Amino acid sequence: AQSVDQPDAHVTLSEGASLELRCSYSYSAAPYLFWYVQYPGQSLQFLLKYITGDTVVKGTKGFEAEFRKSNSSFNLKKSPAHWSDSAKYFCALEGWLQQGTGSKLSFGKGAKLTVSP
Amino acid sequence: DMKVTQMPRYLIKRMGENVLLECGQDMSHETMYWYRQDPGLGLQLIYISYDVDSNSEGDIPKGYRVSRKKREHFSLILDSAKTNQTSVYFCASSSGTITEVFFGKGTRLTVV
Repeated sequence: AQSVDQPDAHVTLSEGASLELRCSYSYSAAPYLFWYVQYPGQSLQFLLKYITGDTVVKGTKGFEAEFRKSNSSFNLKKSPAHWSDSAKYFCALEGWLQQGTGSKLSFGKGAKLTVSP
Repeated sequence: DMKVTQMPRYLIKRMGENVLLECGQDMSHETMYWYRQDPGLGLQLIYISYDVDSNSEGDIPKGYRVSRKKREHFSLILDSAKTNQTSVYFCASSSGTITEVFFGKGTRLTVV
């Protein structure tokens, strides 16, 4: 089984502060991890992914994420945050379907980020 | 231009009616998905398709079926819609595993 947990449903901070959105996962094999962003009224957009190698991965829009195997986490970071970063952020894990026919992308419940000017 | 197109964008149906949600992609991606998004629940996978006529159930397939007769097109069908199927439905596609998934803009379905 695979699961993704985003413990903070809502995060609020001021422009210029550092943001960190938490993500933890449960998966029995090596995880492939992703972050997606959803701006209000829009669809999901890819930010970054971790497959293997460097534990800090950089993505679009100035975001980066750090993979920590020791505590099964993949936290998203950006500094400084800008008001335009206000959106909902989803952590996702790619794992294998139980039937073994292929892989699937499982999402956390998302974290709504509000950055006040 | 890489695009996943969903039609219609908004739909209101009565309970018991049949619903057809259509999705197309112009990237020749093999893999396509249907998710639903509900407040507080994130995205839940309904079905995944690995190519034409190669479909697998996701986490919540009950009450849904899919059809993929062309690589570019993936349909979600609700036979006899229920009020608890009111949701936003997202179609997505990818070129395989461990790659970026491209999402459509979603269809907001209301079943009354």
